[in-house]
Amino acid sequence: EIVLTQSPGTLSLSPGERATLSCRASQSVSSSYLAWYQQKPGQAPRLLIYGASSRATGIPDRFSGRGSGTDFTLTISRLEPEDFAVYYCQLYDTSPPMYTFGQGTKLEIK
Amino acid sequence: QVQLQQSGPGLVKPSQTLSLTCAISGDSVSSNSAAWNWIRQSPSRGLEWLGRTYYRSKWYIDYAVSVKSRIIINPDTSKNQFSLQLNSVTPEDTAVYYCAREAPSRTLWYFDYWGQGTLVTVSS
Repeated sequence: EIVLTQSPGTLSLSPGERATLSCRASQSVSSSYLAWYQQKPGQAPRLLIYGASSRATGIPDRFSGRGSGTDFTLTISRLEPEDFAVYYCQLYDTSPPMYTFGQGTKLEIK
Repeated sequence: QVQLQQSGPGLVKPSQTLSLTCAISGDSVSSNSAAWNWIRQSPSRGLEWLGRTYYRSKWYIDYAVSVKSRIIINPDTSKNQFSLQLNSVTPEDTAVYYCAREAPSRTLWYFDYWGQGTLVTVSS
């Protein structure tokens, strides 16, 4: 089973700053299988990025994803107050078919 | 616009069966391209995928190894919904349970629509 490790666990930044969140896989994976979600308290996760770098419908362009192999990154170029939340990466594995999630990065206001 | 509406009890006794339903609007459980998933979230286990059902000329079901011996996911085409049954629950099964649509793509894998979540507590 492939393990996803997100870092840092908590990121303290101010509005207007740039946020860089990391997701590392325990072995090389296809970018097609990697997605990012945002979750706010009491809400379901919200899709941000799929295929490692494609923004979901309605997601502002300050959110971007990149990476390949084992290392993937979610960047928020200029933080807005509504961006402070927990972010998860997600991976699909084919054998056996299953999904795994990272443990999350909490983005908090400094 | 796809909507997923979850229903089911929020309290289940230990050793009993957890049962939840996810009603689909704006898509079909019999879709030939989407898949219908159950995911749970707890402080101790984080986000955990439980399983899915999908139709590709016939029905397929995949389960997570961690729950495979006690989980059943069923599609219900007459009501356009799918269900989760988790048997022999323990307090470790206490979590928020979500249903989610796996996007209708043959080359990309992600969840584009989620239910509202149901907190299920296992306690006597």
